[in-house]
Amino acid sequence: KQEVTQIPAALSVPEGENLVLNCSFTDSAIYNLQWFRQDPGKGLTSLLLIQSSQREQTSGRLNASLDKSSGRSTLYIAASQPGDSATYLCAVLGNQAGTALIFGKGTTLSVSS
Amino acid sequence: NAGVTQTPKFQVLKTGQSMTLQCAQDMNHEYMSWYRQDPGMGLRLIHYSVGAGITDQGEVPNGYNVSRSTTEDFPLRLLSAAPSQTSVYFCASSLGLAGVSNEQFFGPGTRLTVL
Repeated sequence: KQEVTQIPAALSVPEGENLVLNCSFTDSAIYNLQWFRQDPGKGLTSLLLIQSSQREQTSGRLNASLDKSSGRSTLYIAASQPGDSATYLCAVLGNQAGTALIFGKGTTLSVSS
Repeated sequence: NAGVTQTPKFQVLKTGQSMTLQCAQDMNHEYMSWYRQDPGMGLRLIHYSVGAGITDQGEVPNGYNVSRSTTEDFPLRLLSAAPSQTSVYFCASSLGLAGVSNEQFFGPGTRLTVL
């Protein structure tokens, strides 16, 4: 059974710091991996999608990497801002559970000014 | 495109009542699914559909029914609401499951409270 783990569960950093969020998964047979952002009481915003054949994707200050063989992904946020404060969710799409996304429980990021 | 839409945004039910959560997408996506999000549990799949007329169960299907009569709509029915069904419900869709078509798009969610 695919399991997705995100470490740390919570992270507090000062504004301007570069940071890395970690995601690990137990079954490397995935189609893709998505990173989402969720603000309190809100829905999910897709940040980056990495197909299984890709190694990384970049969007602005965000960079996500994928190492399928080791079952790991990282989300790198450069020059963090208070507006980056949110919960970041990692999810993998595989053959299990109806070929649906399997989510981690998220990392809650707080960036102080 | 409106993307994935969900109604209602908020709902309060009494135990035993039934209701339908609506989900619609205007992107001609074949794959649609329902998740629930609970504190400490993350998002979990309830039901999914790979096309009109085809549905199947996910991880937590008990107490919920679905149908898919059109490509656009995928309603989720609560047959007899229970307090354990208090949660935030998200609908998602994707064009397909292979290649670049497998990016999933989420609706804004329905916040359900069962008293």
